[in-house]
Amino acid sequence: DTGVSQNPRHKITKRGQNVTFRCDPISEHNRLYWYRQTLGQGPEFLTYFQNEAQLEKSRLLSDRFSAERPKGSFSTLEIQRTEQGDSAMYLCASSPRGGQGDEQFFGPGTRLTVL
Amino acid sequence: GQSLEQPSEVTAVEGAIVQINCTYQTSGFYGLSWYQQHDGGAPTFLSYNALDGLEETGRFSSFLSRSDSYGYLLLQELQMKDSASYFCAVRAYGGSQGNLIFGKGTKLSVKP
Repeated sequence: DTGVSQNPRHKITKRGQNVTFRCDPISEHNRLYWYRQTLGQGPEFLTYFQNEAQLEKSRLLSDRFSAERPKGSFSTLEIQRTEQGDSAMYLCASSPRGGQGDEQFFGPGTRLTVL
Repeated sequence: GQSLEQPSEVTAVEGAIVQINCTYQTSGFYGLSWYQQHDGGAPTFLSYNALDGLEETGRFSSFLSRSDSYGYLLLQELQMKDSASYFCAVRAYGGSQGNLIFGKGTKLSVKP
């Protein structure tokens, strides 16, 4: 399967702990995005990379969130000092340069539960 | 800011036609996209309209009117597998290539 993969698929943590998620995009895609989705809502944009450069970060993203894409391939999203409000599905997506319109290819997501 | 409005739920029967509307408010935009998401699944891209008019892809069609800030997704010959949530999304001026803004989604239930 050459789609977008995310690990882990599920993460349960206690409030105050740090968590890190990984996303492996489709190999030839240079653009990578992170979104957060809660029940009954659409995906909410968090941040965007073009190759290794982080070009945009949502103003809604607190300083506890950080993302990296060190070699322009996989990406990690870290949440420090987790809070119960961080419980959500974290989605990663990728797209190629010159792709069709706004087509993004989403991974299966990491479901985070903060107790 | 930007916002999108779409109905929260729609119910239809197999074989029928259903239209899911989306109105948007942005300072200007590049185009309107539609995504499908089954329960527990990832969003998948359905269509993109940059210009006014109708785009057809098999049983699905999408329409855009930039002057009315309005679009819709039309699903024909409904099948049970079409039961899913459907999201409209825009990328507005001032946003980067990445900043897609999604609506809250329309949950479509197809009944036998």
